[in-house]
Amino acid sequence: KQEVTQIPAALSVPEGENLVLNCSFTDSAIYNLQWFRQDPGKGLTSLLLIQSSQREQTSGRLNASLDKSSGRSTLYIAASQPGDSATYLCAVQHGSSNTGKLIFGQGTTLQVKP
Amino acid sequence: AAGVIQSPRHLIKEKRETATLKCYPIPRHDTVYWYQQGPGQDPQFLISFYEKMQSDKGSIPDRFSAQQFSDYHSELNMSSLELGDSALYFCASSLTGSEQYFGPGTRLTVT
Repeated sequence: KQEVTQIPAALSVPEGENLVLNCSFTDSAIYNLQWFRQDPGKGLTSLLLIQSSQREQTSGRLNASLDKSSGRSTLYIAASQPGDSATYLCAVQHGSSNTGKLIFGQGTTLQVKP
Repeated sequence: AAGVIQSPRHLIKEKRETATLKCYPIPRHDTVYWYQQGPGQDPQFLISFYEKMQSDKGSIPDRFSAQQFSDYHSELNMSSLELGDSALYFCASSLTGSEQYFGPGTRLTVT
């Protein structure tokens, strides 16, 4: 059974700091991995999608890497801002089916202090 | 750009009542997913449809059913509601093999 773990559960940093969020999964047979942002009580905003054949994806100040063989992904946020404060969730789409469900980690709640 | 639309955004029901949640996927997306997110929990997959046929099923209670219609919108029907059904319900859509886009969610409160 696929399990997704995110470390740390919570993180507080001063504005301007670069930071790394970690995600690990137990079964390397994934189709893709997606990083989301969720503000309290709100919906999920897709940040980055990494296909299983890719090593990394970049969007603005965000960079996500994927090491499928070791079951790990990282989300790197450069020059953090107070507006980045939110919960960040990683999710894997399991197996060979491209219509498969996403399995989520518990998330990392980030607070960026001005 | 068009996003996933969910209605209603908020719903309050009493125990043992029935609720219907609606989802309108992004145009031309061929797959719809339903997820449930309890308080302080991560989203849990309920059910999905590919081209109007059920494609996968998660831990969806027998009291819940869903379908996708000819216009590609989907409905999640929930009967005999329990207090534990109170949660955020998300619909997501995707084009085969691409990222899933989530709607704003329906917050269901069962009293």
